[in-house]
Amino acid sequence: AQTVTQSQPEMSVQEAETVTLSCTYDTSESDYYLFWYKQPPSRQMILVIRQEAYKQQNATENRFSVNFQKAAKSFSLKISDSQLGDAAMYFCAYLRPAGANNLFFGTGTRLTVIP
Amino acid sequence: DAGVTQSPTHLIKTRGQQVTLRCSPKSGHDTVSWYQQALGQGPQFIFQYYEEEERQRGNFPDRFSGHQFPNYSSELNVNALLLGDSALYLCASSLLQPGTNEKLFFGSGTQLSVL
Repeated sequence: AQTVTQSQPEMSVQEAETVTLSCTYDTSESDYYLFWYKQPPSRQMILVIRQEAYKQQNATENRFSVNFQKAAKSFSLKISDSQLGDAAMYFCAYLRPAGANNLFFGTGTRLTVIP
Repeated sequence: DAGVTQSPTHLIKTRGQQVTLRCSPKSGHDTVSWYQQALGQGPQFIFQYYEEEERQRGNFPDRFSGHQFPNYSSELNVNALLLGDSALYLCASSLLQPGTNEKLFFGSGTQLSVL
């Protein structure tokens, strides 16, 4: 069974600084997707960044980037130039290959941004 | 373009009662998935509906059932409520066709409290 582990229940970062959130996963599949979702107090899950396992290049979306290590089954999120609006719960998630839409989520990391 | 909408936003029930939660998918989406997010946890997949049929199901008892209507909207029904059913219920919509099923859009959820 697929499992997603986030070992950092809470993290904090100074405004304008950089922070890295960790995620590891377990799968026997070779093709899959990995995601980072942000959940602010509004409760809506907002997609931050997506990585296809077959792509070696790490995904980047503006201030957000990932370090995808397929062999190590590691998928960390780096937030650069942190802003107050980045404060939220962050969930790492795994999606099985095409045809299966059930996401497997980690337990989340609460990020606090200190002004 | 309206995103995924869920109703109601909050709901309070007592043990043994039945509840129905509703979800309207993002315009153009044909697939609806439901997730349960207990306090302090990541969301867990309940089931997915496509073409008015349950396509996949997670590890949830038969007390959890659903329905999808011809307009792609969906309902989640929970019978014989238990205290442990208290959670945020999230709906996510997507397109089933290959290459798009990883693009899930989430609603803001229904917070269910069972007393």
